[in-house]
Amino acid sequence: DGGITQSPKYLFRKEGQNVTLSCEQNLNHDAMYWYRQDPGQGLRLIYYSQIVNDFQKGDIAEGYSVSREKKESFPLTVTSAQKNPTAFYLCASSTTRGTGDEKLFFGSGTQLSVL
Amino acid sequence: AQSVTQPDIHITVSEGASLELRCNYSYGATPYLFWYVQSPGQGLQLLLKYFSGDTLVQGIKGFEAEFKRSQSSFNLRKPSVHWSDAAEYFCAVGAGYGGSQGNLIFGKGTKLSVKP
Repeated sequence: DGGITQSPKYLFRKEGQNVTLSCEQNLNHDAMYWYRQDPGQGLRLIYYSQIVNDFQKGDIAEGYSVSREKKESFPLTVTSAQKNPTAFYLCASSTTRGTGDEKLFFGSGTQLSVL
Repeated sequence: AQSVTQPDIHITVSEGASLELRCNYSYGATPYLFWYVQSPGQGLQLLLKYFSGDTLVQGIKGFEAEFKRSQSSFNLRKPSVHWSDAAEYFCAVGAGYGGSQGNLIFGKGTKLSVKP
């Protein structure tokens, strides 16, 4: 079945540690996104990529980094510079037909907590 | 700047009762509008979307929404709620960077509880 796979489901980070969240899709979508979700805050865009080897910062990119070496994969690294990393992280993908009606497909998320 | 407001943080309805979740947006042009649903610990699923044309749009799971330009609203409705509808609901407006609707601006969500 086509879809988006995020791993791990739960992740714990120690102080000063970098951690990487995995996101893989087999939908053949060009665009991929990372959102952060905090309770009562809705979703906020961290980074997005519309094509391989290219990505742009979203609204809250500080303390995060991404790569897009393959169409299927868009890993997110939460660096030690992110002082408040505890949140639910959602990866999404969509086509980029340019019509504005592309549907977002979401993974099931990764809950990151600080030890 | 674009924004989305969902005035109700938490709503409780009885099973079988009707439901309306409110959404107001601020956007300079004709917006792309969406409603997503999220079950606990899961990703989001698209319920319905509005781009143009008929202002009453039908979605999955028996939901519908009506776009009212004069009120800058896009309220979600369902005539009869089922216990399985208990979830969090997010309204979103498309920022439309380069035509991609992935740069959505989300509201803060409305949590729906359903009483037996």
